[in-house]
Amino acid sequence: NAGVTQTPKFRVLKTGQSMTLLCAQDMNHEYMYWYRQDPGMGLRLIHYSVGEGTTAKGEVPDGYNVSRLKKQNFLLGLESAAPSQTSVYFCASSEGVLGETGELFFGEGSRLTVL
Amino acid sequence: AQSVSQHNHHVILSEAASLELGCNYSYGGTVNLFWYVQYPGQHLQLLLKYFSGDPLVKGIKGFEAEFIKSKFSFNLRKPSVQWSDTAEYFCAVNAGGSARQLTFGSGTQLTVLP
Repeated sequence: NAGVTQTPKFRVLKTGQSMTLLCAQDMNHEYMYWYRQDPGMGLRLIHYSVGEGTTAKGEVPDGYNVSRLKKQNFLLGLESAAPSQTSVYFCASSEGVLGETGELFFGEGSRLTVL
Repeated sequence: AQSVSQHNHHVILSEAASLELGCNYSYGGTVNLFWYVQYPGQHLQLLLKYFSGDPLVKGIKGFEAEFIKSKFSFNLRKPSVQWSDTAEYFCAVNAGGSARQLTFGSGTQLTVLP
């Protein structure tokens, strides 16, 4: 049981390049999230999904797009990378509404550097 | 929108010392409260959570937290820390049962010296 898996683990991009981060979970969770973690700022929610085919914006959605074509996968895309998007990205999933279960299951993170 | 404040950015303790990490939130309604921990090189994992009932919550590895509604606080405590407790600790708040809003604090890095 792998839990939440993120690929790639590390990536270096040049400004203006595009890329996609893949998150896969094998726990049959309905809810999935993308966070970014920056020093001194904790984790901030980028986008989230409450089920297959649905996505919604979080706290810091600008410059990112997401898709949830399959229940187990949640993709985070950067269409034109900027240095401000240098960060560690975490995918997470939850079984149900956070107000009922409260637990997020996190992936190991993807470190992205934009030069 | 709710916010979470962790005023201690870096705490350094010797083994066997007692620990208290502060967490304050701003939201006037019903809240669910959490502490997550990130050990070096590992992903975040749930340490403990408060939904309702006894405001003193016990979690894994001897950690506990107390919800004080009047102070909007949810401080994390451990009577005697170990070197293996070295990690970054995040307080988080979910307001009103909403699926989207798990707001994290900025984190506190705990270093325990052997």
